[in-house]
Amino acid sequence: DAGVIQSPRHEVTEMGQEVTLRCKPISGHDYLFWYRQTMMRGLELLIYFNNNVPIDDSGMPEDRFSAKMPNASFSTLKIQPSEPRDSAVYFCASSLVRGRGGYTFGSGTRLTVV
Amino acid sequence: GENVEQHPSTLSVQEGDSAVIKCTYSDSASNYFPWYKQELGKGPQLIIDIRSNVGEKKDQRIAVTLNKTAKHFSLHITETQPEDSAVYFCAVDVTGGGNKLTFGTGTQLKVEL
Repeated sequence: DAGVIQSPRHEVTEMGQEVTLRCKPISGHDYLFWYRQTMMRGLELLIYFNNNVPIDDSGMPEDRFSAKMPNASFSTLKIQPSEPRDSAVYFCASSLVRGRGGYTFGSGTRLTVV
Repeated sequence: GENVEQHPSTLSVQEGDSAVIKCTYSDSASNYFPWYKQELGKGPQLIIDIRSNVGEKKDQRIAVTLNKTAKHFSLHITETQPEDSAVYFCAVDVTGGGNKLTFGTGTQLKVEL
């Protein structure tokens, strides 16, 4: 298995632009998570899905952030409009029901908003 | 919600020595405790986990101990090697399925030659 695949690896954008991050979970995993990692706040859970349905989005910082999972093999995290404080590494992770083996993380997308 | 504290934030050891990282949590209902290793430029990778019905688990040079009464658990790395240098995160899940993890703040481990 290729693992959790995220794209792009790096994204540099200007303030006010729309940014879309993409994730392909491991086939057969029922849960998908979006995390944000910064030096100041560590790893923060933004939102997670179970069987493509959003379960908990309480970590989404504000309305500028939205996430979708149209099918079991694809999810997006969108920021519109982007701001410099959104600069961080965004990780996608997936897991099986009952968490056997825990989460598998992707390699992350490093977002820089200038 | 769950509160996870991790100590120390940085740890430097000599190659061959042991390293211990500790985490405490607040929710007594928590029942799944994984540890992750994050190397530079990569996502966190699961290295070992323990469930609340077990007090200790070992995998080669890595072990985790759990004290549910005191609500703390620890990662032990023996015979450290330079490739053990990384950031280590503890995490806690209350659902039992590993389906919603709260992470500690991380420990930067440096193994010196």
